[in-house]
Amino acid sequence: QVQLVQSGAEVKKPGSSVKVSCKASGGIFSNYLISWVRQAPGQGLEWMGEIIPISATTNHAQKFQGRLTITADGSTSTAYMELTSLRSEDTAVYYCARRLGYSYAMDVWGQGSTVTVSS
Amino acid sequence: DIQMTQSPSSLSASVGDRVTITCRASQGIGNSLAWYQQKPGKRPKLLIYGASTFQSGDRSRFSGSGSGTDFTLTISSLQPEDVATYYCQKYNSVPLTFGGGTKVEI
Repeated sequence: QVQLVQSGAEVKKPGSSVKVSCKASGGIFSNYLISWVRQAPGQGLEWMGEIIPISATTNHAQKFQGRLTITADGSTSTAYMELTSLRSEDTAVYYCARRLGYSYAMDVWGQGSTVTVSS
Repeated sequence: DIQMTQSPSSLSASVGDRVTITCRASQGIGNSLAWYQQKPGKRPKLLIYGASTFQSGDRSRFSGSGSGTDFTLTISSLQPEDVATYYCQKYNSVPLTFGGGTKVEI
């Protein structure tokens, strides 16, 4: 049974960066797609981007172009999401989620990582 | 980009009621539509994919239908444990847009 375990909560200053990790256990990590989804307090779900580790191919939502970097390390079955130039509006819970392929929904989710941006 | 519009944004119903949530895509997406359930303080959970296929364990009350641009999620007999926010999502191509969510209360 695949599980995704994310890194802990972070508090960051405006203008800084945050890097959240997502470690997979079980299954063949390199064959999945790992998506990143965020949820601001009291708001809905927002897809940020995804990576397929086997090829390091990434896709990003236009909104995050230039600020978002998604990477993966197959040797540790870990995906990373780095967001730069943080502002208060980036305060949210960040989730990673697995897709089995481009024609699949997100069937396994991490527990979420809270990122708070505050001066 | 394709937009996903859910309605209503919230609803309140009684235990045993039939509840229907709709999701509309601004362009056709075939049947590449998923429904997620998110209970307060919890991670989202995949409920239905392919517009009408159950992920696991929820077959008795939940059903999904639709294709193209119009989709529905139905709870046949609302139970207290169904209190949650429900999201639709298109996954046929990026961006993988979510609907705004429907908060279901008793």
